[in-house]
Amino acid sequence: GAVVSQHPSRVICKSGTSVKIECRSLDFQATTMFWYRQFPKQSLMLMATSNEGSKATYEQGVEKDKFLINHASLTLSTLTVTSAHPEDSSFYICSAAGALNTEAFFGQGTRLTVV
Amino acid sequence: AQSVAQPEDQVNVAEGNPLTVKCTYSVSGNPYLFWYVQYPNRGLQFLLKYITGDNLVKGSYGFEAEFNKSQTSFHLKKPSALVSDSALYFCAVRDLYNAGNMLTFGGGTRLMVKP
Repeated sequence: GAVVSQHPSRVICKSGTSVKIECRSLDFQATTMFWYRQFPKQSLMLMATSNEGSKATYEQGVEKDKFLINHASLTLSTLTVTSAHPEDSSFYICSAAGALNTEAFFGQGTRLTVV
Repeated sequence: AQSVAQPEDQVNVAEGNPLTVKCTYSVSGNPYLFWYVQYPNRGLQFLLKYITGDNLVKGSYGFEAEFNKSQTSFHLKKPSALVSDSALYFCAVRDLYNAGNMLTFGGGTRLMVKP
């Protein structure tokens, strides 16, 4: 299957700082990328959907100024958690789908800990 | 709107026994159905999908799933469970014509295979 690379896998940051997470599709063009948040022992919560070259569509309750998403190319999307707080600590997962893909492919996830 | 239900939070099975992880779905159009597996602190790995054709779909690691339109179900099965199958399993649905690339996930089922 196609490969999606997500970095970093783990990050610890101080409250008030910003953290950027990258999601790359390595061997296909991702027309759509998705960002999810997963709380312990829970399912994935879709945060936003982004299409290359356009603004992301955020799910209800997700602050777009808090979670900045950029999808500048067909192989790269970034999620920046701005002014992070301890309650932002979570597991963040990206996925990507190409125009020819029926299934989405997932990155390895990023464990964010805000101290 | 599309939705997925996984009625069991956890399934316990002895190694060597058959396993079933249940999934039911609701979509307004034709469903694309998927199963993913998640190991601790990792992203999701694609197992199998149903798009069209044979109702019995075979996937990775010996897993299979049966699409049942009348019961709106897509249960995951394996004839003989391995301890290494212990993980979190997610069923997902995509309604291509009404929801585009968006996947909706079930709540997840934790599979515990005991030696």
